[in-house]
Amino acid sequence: EPEVTQTPSHQVTQMGQEVILRCVPISNHLYFYWYRQILGQKVEFLVSFYNNEISEKSEIFDDQFSVERPDGSNFTLKIRSTKLEDSAMYFCASSRRQGVDNEQFFGPGTRLTVL
Amino acid sequence: DQQVKQNSPSLSVQEGRISILNCDYTNSMFDYFLWYKKYPAEGPTFLISISSIKDKNEDGRFTVFLNKSAKHLSLHIVPSQPGDSAVYFCAASASDFGNEKLTFGTGTRLTIIP
Repeated sequence: EPEVTQTPSHQVTQMGQEVILRCVPISNHLYFYWYRQILGQKVEFLVSFYNNEISEKSEIFDDQFSVERPDGSNFTLKIRSTKLEDSAMYFCASSRRQGVDNEQFFGPGTRLTVL
Repeated sequence: DQQVKQNSPSLSVQEGRISILNCDYTNSMFDYFLWYKKYPAEGPTFLISISSIKDKNEDGRFTVFLNKSAKHLSLHIVPSQPGDSAVYFCAASASDFGNEKLTFGTGTRLTIIP
């Protein structure tokens, strides 16, 4: 069964460093998303991406964040200068279409630890 | 921002009995609702969904009920099995164009007692 994959599973970085989290969405999906979950809190939407551009972003997704689909398979989230409060699980998701019945399928997540 | 609420942080149910997980929402623009199951160190796994034009959707042991007037939905699992022990998240979206984000509740940890 097709699934969303994410690498790395765990990333440790120093405050102020850049990190790139990688995702391979399900191959026939067209809509891509990043969410995060800070320990003990709920899963929060960061950004959605369709047709090579951002379709929606939350207030969390500030200028330090960017997303890219560099080729036909990968979808990346870059944090330019990490802060302590960026420590969280980051989940990539994809869906085939939008609207009703647009189930989003999630990857296993990348645990980002900022020291 | 508590647009989706799951007021029970935890629930314990005997194996074989019915598990009922509840979710309330405040945003009347939500018209699509999903339940996800999450094990530790894994991503959320889609379970079942319902659109606002329905009041019930069933898939095997899982049934979701939607009460739009009360802005309430529930997930019924029957019979409950030990493998159902996980955190369950309710999520909602408003399907107008360009607004596909899922808004999640805080989750309910379900423990099935053998």
